[in-house]
Amino acid sequence: EVQLVESGGGVAHPEGSLRLSCAASGFSLSSYWMSWVRQAPGKGLECVAALKPDGIEKFYADSVRGRFTISRDNTDNSLYLQMSSLRATDAAVYYCARASYCTNAYCVGGAFDVWGQGTMVAVSS
Amino acid sequence: EIVMTQSPATLSLSPGERATLSCWASQNIYNNLAWFQQKPGQTPRLLIYHASNRAAGIPDRFSGSGSGTHFTLTISSLEPEDSAVYYCQQRASFITFGQGTRLEIK
Repeated sequence: EVQLVESGGGVAHPEGSLRLSCAASGFSLSSYWMSWVRQAPGKGLECVAALKPDGIEKFYADSVRGRFTISRDNTDNSLYLQMSSLRATDAAVYYCARASYCTNAYCVGGAFDVWGQGTMVAVSS
Repeated sequence: EIVMTQSPATLSLSPGERATLSCWASQNIYNNLAWFQQKPGQTPRLLIYHASNRAAGIPDRFSGSGSGTHFTLTISSLEPEDSAVYYCQQRASFITFGQGTRLEIK
């Protein structure tokens, strides 16, 4: 069964750090573009980071660039999001998501067809 | 950044009626658009990709159309379980979502 399971959420202090994990099963992360998408309470969806299948090229939303790092471990087929310098505005449910239907190497046209259940991040002093 | 704008913000319709949800892109995104459904407490579910292709397992009452900067999601005959928030998402450049349309079934 194709599945994504996130972990690592919790409460962090402002300017603190957290590392989120996403364990994949039923497929290889190295074959797909993977992303982290967040949703603040009662708000919409925001993609914050994306990782190309090569594991090298990474893309970030302006709101997190320089503070968040997306990475992958092929050995345990897991995706990570290292978050630092956390702000109150980073509080959200964080989902990892797989993109399919890509039309080129940069996943133009891709859509998130598999989502994890999400992990909650709160930022509070 | 490509800005996605959805309308209306809220839609209230009765079972059996037809729903039409709109999504505009701030620049040409060709057909690089997807639609998602999210029910309270649930993960988003992919409905449509490449503007008009239904994802696996999606009922044929859901259809997508459009290209360039204007897109539409149509639900031909509403059922009570269609009550949800619907998001459009572009992937012509770094992924961005619309703000959502809340569909209420009376």
